[in-house]
Amino acid sequence: GAGVSQSPRYKVAKRGQDVALRCDPISGHVSLFWYQQALGQGPEFLTYFQNEAQLDKSGLPSDRFFAERPEGSVSTLKIQRTQQEDSAVYLCASSLGADLQFFGPGTRLTVL
Amino acid sequence: DQQVKQNSPSLSVQEGRISILNCDYTNSMFDYFLWYKKYPAEGPTFLISISSIKDKNEDGRFTVFLNKSAKHLSLHIVPSQPGDSAVYFCAVKGAFYNNNDMRFGAGTRLTVKP
Repeated sequence: GAGVSQSPRYKVAKRGQDVALRCDPISGHVSLFWYQQALGQGPEFLTYFQNEAQLDKSGLPSDRFFAERPEGSVSTLKIQRTQQEDSAVYLCASSLGADLQFFGPGTRLTVL
Repeated sequence: DQQVKQNSPSLSVQEGRISILNCDYTNSMFDYFLWYKKYPAEGPTFLISISSIKDKNEDGRFTVFLNKSAKHLSLHIVPSQPGDSAVYFCAVKGAFYNNNDMRFGAGTRLTVKP
């Protein structure tokens, strides 16, 4: 596709469930980013991949959060044992390199 | 630790008038500044940027001004149109090669009334 796509667009989970969020970046984009956007806030950096290598995961809030990009294209953000404070929009962005980031529409996660 | 602040959560202007959105940052090491626009249920889209070697960048109806000494940037939209109604995020970067170091403000919701 022409842009970054994310699935699912909406996810409702019960507290304690595991969730997996998918990101399909723009074809050929080397860099991939995950952000968390809480209600009324701006996006906050979670983690960054260059191809399949996770170069920065300093923004992941806890060890319940895990991200992977095994073949250097599609990425999955996994959250284990979800908590209510994990409720947010999770945004994925991709870029060619040290360049402009293009964002996907996000996945809205609601943890009950 | 809020390194990027957008102190106005909302702004309402009349169509045809100027919209001015403001952003303040705390770290003088930031040297690249961007504005993103976000419609509901969509991801942020890039609008305009400026590097620290400039104090103004213009693109059509959109102009970004940078005041490095005050650590302040602003986005001017002239004339404002109803289609400009969206949330605007200011974002800053530490160094061009450090692509992952981008920090966002909380956003300002702009409403342009017909």
